[in-house]
Amino acid sequence: QVQLQESGPGLVKPSETLSLTCTVSGDSISGYYWSWIRQPPGKRLEWIGCFYRSGSTSYNPSLKSRVTISVDTSKNQFSLKLTSVTAADTAVYYCARDGSGRSFQHWGQGTLVTVSS
Amino acid sequence: DIQMTQSPSTLSASVGDRVTITCRASQSFSTWLAWYQQKPGKAPKLLIYKASNLESGVPSRFSGSGSGTEFTLTISSLQPDDFATYYCQQYNSFPWTFGQGTKVEIK
Repeated sequence: QVQLQESGPGLVKPSETLSLTCTVSGDSISGYYWSWIRQPPGKRLEWIGCFYRSGSTSYNPSLKSRVTISVDTSKNQFSLKLTSVTAADTAVYYCARDGSGRSFQHWGQGTLVTVSS
Repeated sequence: DIQMTQSPSTLSASVGDRVTITCRASQSFSTWLAWYQQKPGKAPKLLIYKASNLESGVPSRFSGSGSGTEFTLTISSLQPDDFATYYCQQYNSFPWTFGQGTKVEIK
């Protein structure tokens, strides 16, 4: 059974870069769509972006200028970098994987990132 | 972007009630739509994929239907464990987008 676990700082200062890692166990990180999704407090889920097909990426246009998703196959991990953060980037960040047509079938538990000085 | 709008935003119901949640899309697409259940402090859980396919392990009282611009999630007989927030999500085209959520509350 595939499992995903987010890790990274829970507090980031305004204008700095948010960096998170998703560690995958129980499955190879090659194949499928591997996504980052976030949820500001009390708000809807927002898809940030994904990588797929051994190197392709797609980003939400609303965040595209600030987002990079990368993968480290040797560690079975993928990462999120979000630059120039503001308080509006405060959210629970999830990593997730699709399941052959099942959209987000597998999710990490989520990690709260607060942007504050 | 395909905008997803759910109705109602909040729904008050009793155990045993039949509940229907609607999700409308700003553009038509076939069946690349999913439904999720989310409880406070937890990650969303996939209930329905491809508009009408029940995810493994999900009770059969949940069902989905629709295509084009209108989709529905139905709970045939609401159970105590079903009080939660439900989200629809399209994965027909990037950027993948979610509805604003429907909170099912105890009446």
